Amino acid sequence: GENVEQHPSTLSVQEGDSAVIKCTYSDSASNYFPWYKQELGKRPQLIIDIRSNVGEKKDQRIAVTLNKTAKHFSLHITETQPEDSAVYFCAARRGINFGNEKLTFGTGTRLTIIP
Amino acid sequence: DGGITQSPKYLFRKEGQNVTLSCEQNLNHDAMYWYRQDPGQGLRLIYYSQIVNDFQKGDIAEGYSVSREKKESFPLTVTSAQKNPTAFYLCASSPTYRFMNTEAFFGQGTRLTVV
Repeated sequence: GENVEQHPSTLSVQEGDSAVIKCTYSDSASNYFPWYKQELGKRPQLIIDIRSNVGEKKDQRIAVTLNKTAKHFSLHITETQPEDSAVYFCAARRGINFGNEKLTFGTGTRLTIIP
Repeated sequence: DGGITQSPKYLFRKEGQNVTLSCEQNLNHDAMYWYRQDPGQGLRLIYYSQIVNDFQKGDIAEGYSVSREKKESFPLTVTSAQKNPTAFYLCASSPTYRFMNTEAFFGQGTRLTVV
């Protein structure tokens, strides 16, 4: 089955600097890669996603890159702000055939923005 | 008001008892998921279902059972066979891959404590 590894497990960044979180996956059939943000005591919420036919996607200060050959994808947050402090999860999902849409998550990265 | 609702928010169980966690969605989503969240271990998949009356085991299904009799509902039973049930449980739902938007939405979670 799919295995998603996420690094680092914790990350501290000075406010205004950039943060990068990396994930690797094992199943070459995976073709959908979302990123979720979970603030303390709250439910995870989607912040950005990318499909395998795209190499990069950007939304304001957040960007995701995908390297299908190497089976890794990364989350980039620029100009970090205190409200970016949270736990971030990457995930991978295969959807080639209806009936096989397991969504597998990484172990999470606790991002702390230092004022 | 559309969304996915878990109940109860907090649940206490005596050792040896079965307990059922509720998950209801009115988003018309076909796929539903149960995850367990432990500190430092991310989101681990317990069971998932892509259609009514069908479900598949995830990575940590032992000691758990589910049913999917209605599209809106995906209850999770934590049985006495689960050796370490104290955890935070998250339910999620999403459209199937047939649709372009496959974002998974999470409930607010149920914190189960064995006393």
